[in-house]
Amino acid sequence: DGGITQSPKYLFRKEGQNVTLSCEQNLNHDAMYWYRQDPGQGLRLIYYSQIVNDFQKGDIAEGYSVSREKKESFPLTVTSAQKNPTAFYLCASWTNRNTGELFFGEGSRLTVL
Amino acid sequence: GENVEQHPSTLSVQEGDSAVIKCTYSDSASNYFPWYKQELGKRPQLIIDIRSNVGEKKDQRIAVTLNKTAKHFSLHITETQPEDSAVYFCAASKNSGYALNFGKGTSLLVTP
Repeated sequence: DGGITQSPKYLFRKEGQNVTLSCEQNLNHDAMYWYRQDPGQGLRLIYYSQIVNDFQKGDIAEGYSVSREKKESFPLTVTSAQKNPTAFYLCASWTNRNTGELFFGEGSRLTVL
Repeated sequence: GENVEQHPSTLSVQEGDSAVIKCTYSDSASNYFPWYKQELGKRPQLIIDIRSNVGEKKDQRIAVTLNKTAKHFSLHITETQPEDSAVYFCAASKNSGYALNFGKGTSLLVTP
């Protein structure tokens, strides 16, 4: 089955620790995205990548970092500099064509204690 | 950057009634407007989208209208059913394949 796999689904971390969320897709999509979802806030863009080895900051990139070494993978690191890291994180991908849709993974829920 | 406003934040209707959710956007260059439905604990899924070369698009009980002059677009759900209960998000971008800017969502409750 083609799709986007996010792991882990649930993650608990202590304050001050960095944590990396995995996102893997086998859809052969060029563009990948990370969104953060908080109650009542909608989906806010953290980072996105249109091609391998290139990525751009979204609206709330502070305290986060990403890499795009392979087309299939776009991991997100939540660093200790992120002041409110507890949230639901969604990875998504999209083919670089004029049609298609933004397709989401199942999400990762991070709780910082 | 693009700013998408969505109203209302919550909407309660009786089964069989219609529901309308409205969004406005700020960037006149935006030309792609999708709507996503997110059920509790699940990922958002595309339900319908519209591009700026059309004013209306319909898919069974769901329709979207776009007014580019006024920079607003709306989702219409007719003959609502309890399974329509979910959070709905509108979004806008300059082109498909570019980052979507989302509204804050509308929590729709359809009561039997």
